[in-house]
Amino acid sequence: KAGVTQTPRYLIKTRGQQVTLSCSPISGHRSVSWYQQTPGQGLQFLFEYFSETQRNKGNFPGRFSGRQFSNSRSEMNVSTLELGDSALYLCASSLLRQQETQYFGPGTRLLVL
Amino acid sequence: GQQVMQIPQYQHVQEGEDFTTYCNSSTTLSNIQWYKQRPGGHPVFLIQLVKSGEVKKQKRLTFQFGEAKKNSSLHITATQTTDVGTYFCAGRVETSYDKVIFGPGTSLSVIP
Repeated sequence: KAGVTQTPRYLIKTRGQQVTLSCSPISGHRSVSWYQQTPGQGLQFLFEYFSETQRNKGNFPGRFSGRQFSNSRSEMNVSTLELGDSALYLCASSLLRQQETQYFGPGTRLLVL
Repeated sequence: GQQVMQIPQYQHVQEGEDFTTYCNSSTTLSNIQWYKQRPGGHPVFLIQLVKSGEVKKQKRLTFQFGEAKKNSSLHITATQTTDVGTYFCAGRVETSYDKVIFGPGTSLSVIP
């Protein structure tokens, strides 16, 4: 069974731009969670989607948004990028909900200049 | 707010020495999961503990969930260079939102 895939793997943007990241969960998994990982802050939870609905949300500004499609694939969007948004963005899929075992993708490394 | 802390933040050990990382929550947890992230990699699930006082072993790794379900530990016996990485605990908090909160991780270095 294929693992969690994320595209793109690397991205360079400039301040003020927006970016869309994509995550394809393991086949059959219905929950997708997004995390931001930085050296200083560790793993910060962004949001969880299950059955195309946002179920949980972390403490991030409204510039961070996401959605989930009927095939469970998920996208995350960050608008008006700031330098501090430079990070590794990880998505994780679970069979049902986030509380179960999460399988992480390789991440998208975003650099904002 | 709800927090999950881990100590120590960093640990350097000689190969063959033991290693322990502790995870402490400010609130009672429904379950706790442990993940390992190798340098340059992504977190990989190790184990989940659910019951109060539960102890589980995976070869040289021993995981424990506290009686009050507020703390947990991971102990590695006779570390090897393959144990290098950051170990995260993640606790499920039983609120109306059922969140999972990750600890900041303990970074383990093993000196050969």
